[in-house]
Amino acid sequence: QQQVKQSPQSLIVQKGGIPIINCAYENTAFDYFPWYQQFPGKGPALLIAIRPDVSEKKEGRFTISFNKSAKQFSLHIMDSQPGDSATYFCAASPAANKLVFGAGTILRVKS
Amino acid sequence: DAGVTQSPTHLIKTRGQQVTLRCSPKSGHDTVSWYQQALGQGPQFIFQYYEEEERQRGNFPDRFSGHQFPNYSSELNVNALLLGDSALYLCASSLFLGEISGNTIYFGEGSWLTVV
Repeated sequence: QQQVKQSPQSLIVQKGGIPIINCAYENTAFDYFPWYQQFPGKGPALLIAIRPDVSEKKEGRFTISFNKSAKQFSLHIMDSQPGDSATYFCAASPAANKLVFGAGTILRVKS
Repeated sequence: DAGVTQSPTHLIKTRGQQVTLRCSPKSGHDTVSWYQQALGQGPQFIFQYYEEEERQRGNFPDRFSGHQFPNYSSELNVNALLLGDSALYLCASSLFLGEISGNTIYFGEGSWLTVV
C-alpha cells in the first residue's frame, strides 16, 4: 500500500517527441504527487507536482495528468530536447514531508 | 540562497565500520529527512527530524540513526556497515506545516557511500 509503481523502466524518443511516463498507486491516503528529475551524479530536482483534486497541471513543457478513480498519474514532456535526457521519478506523499518514490524511468532524447 | 548542502561527497568505508554523513537544510527550512538511493532505484525514506526529534521512520534497522541540531542541520549515522549499505544518501529539507502534505521538498546532491 506504500508503493508507487512506475513504467516504463526506460524510454527513447526522438527530439521533439512527447515521452509519457506512467505511475500507479494503491493507497488512497496519498494526497500529493510530485515528479522529480535526476541527472547522473546529482540529487533529484522537483519538476512539477499535483494534488488529487486536479485532473491536469501544466508548467512549461511538463504536464501531469491525474486520474483519481484509476489511481494513476502520468508525466508528459512536450517538444522533448536532448537536455531532457535524465532519470524521472514519480512520488507520492503518505504523510507530511515524506515521499514514496517510484523506481524511476531513464529517458533518452535522441537529437 | 544556499540550497541543501551535504558532506562528504564521496567516501569509502570497510565492512563493520561506522559512518557519519552531514546535511545543512535550505535556508528557512526546519525539517530534514534522509533517503537511501541504491544504484538504479528510487530513493527510500530512512527517517525525518523536526525540532531535534525523530518524527517519522522508514523500514530501516536501528543501525541507522540520526540527529538534528538547534540550527536545523542534521547527521546520519550508520553503524556496523554492510556491503548492502553502499548507496547514495540524500538529505531532503522542507518547512514543517503540521500534518499538511504538499510543501516542496528539496534534495541535496547526496553523499556516495561505498562499503568494501
